[in-house]
Amino acid sequence: DAKTTQPTSMDCAEGRAANLPCNHSTISGNEYVYWYRQIHSQGPQYIIHGLKNNETNEMASLIITEDRKSSTLILPHATLRDTAVYYCIVRPSSGSARQLTFGSGTQLTVLP
Amino acid sequence: GAVVSQHPSRVICKSGTSVKIECRSLDFQATTMFWYRQFPKQSLMLMATSNEGSKATYEQGVEKDKFLINHASLTLSTLTVTSAHPEDSSFYICSASQAGELFFGEGSRLTVL
Repeated sequence: DAKTTQPTSMDCAEGRAANLPCNHSTISGNEYVYWYRQIHSQGPQYIIHGLKNNETNEMASLIITEDRKSSTLILPHATLRDTAVYYCIVRPSSGSARQLTFGSGTQLTVLP
Repeated sequence: GAVVSQHPSRVICKSGTSVKIECRSLDFQATTMFWYRQFPKQSLMLMATSNEGSKATYEQGVEKDKFLINHASLTLSTLTVTSAHPEDSSFYICSASQAGELFFGEGSRLTVL
């Protein structure tokens, strides 16, 4: 039972902002939105997470809608090294079920 | 962030042999580690949850006698694929929990001939 829905693939021009959407319409009040990415043949890399406020770090920004049913990950200036599969994951804030359940993700291809 | 290391990164073995993959938390102690498997062009699938000092918890459909997990210390969990077959060829990834956050290893690619 998928908890998130993401487009299968997206392209972005190098140097432009990459906006990756995610729908999580059944998210619960105690669940965070996490974003990870996986470059080919590597382990997943943490990007950012948030509960209801927008978040920004050195890698990306996370915009969460007011109803929390969707979010957008923004890579402000995409580079070729940002080509990867991006996973949007909802995760409880506490409790035993705190492993990450990965969906299909979005394959982002940054084009030169 | 915290560092999780896996070894080996690549391994090739013959059918019927056993292969051990190590997952280490290098700069923190992890009471819980997770093992994932990833087939080509697919997402990560959780195989089992490894708890230090106790038996691992396996996900439905994962054979516990085939995928032996040992978490004998707070910095090391091992996954042993016993009597490996070609269909066990996959990318195996571990993650470790620190302060509620998960950090992933680099992955181990197993090829069974």
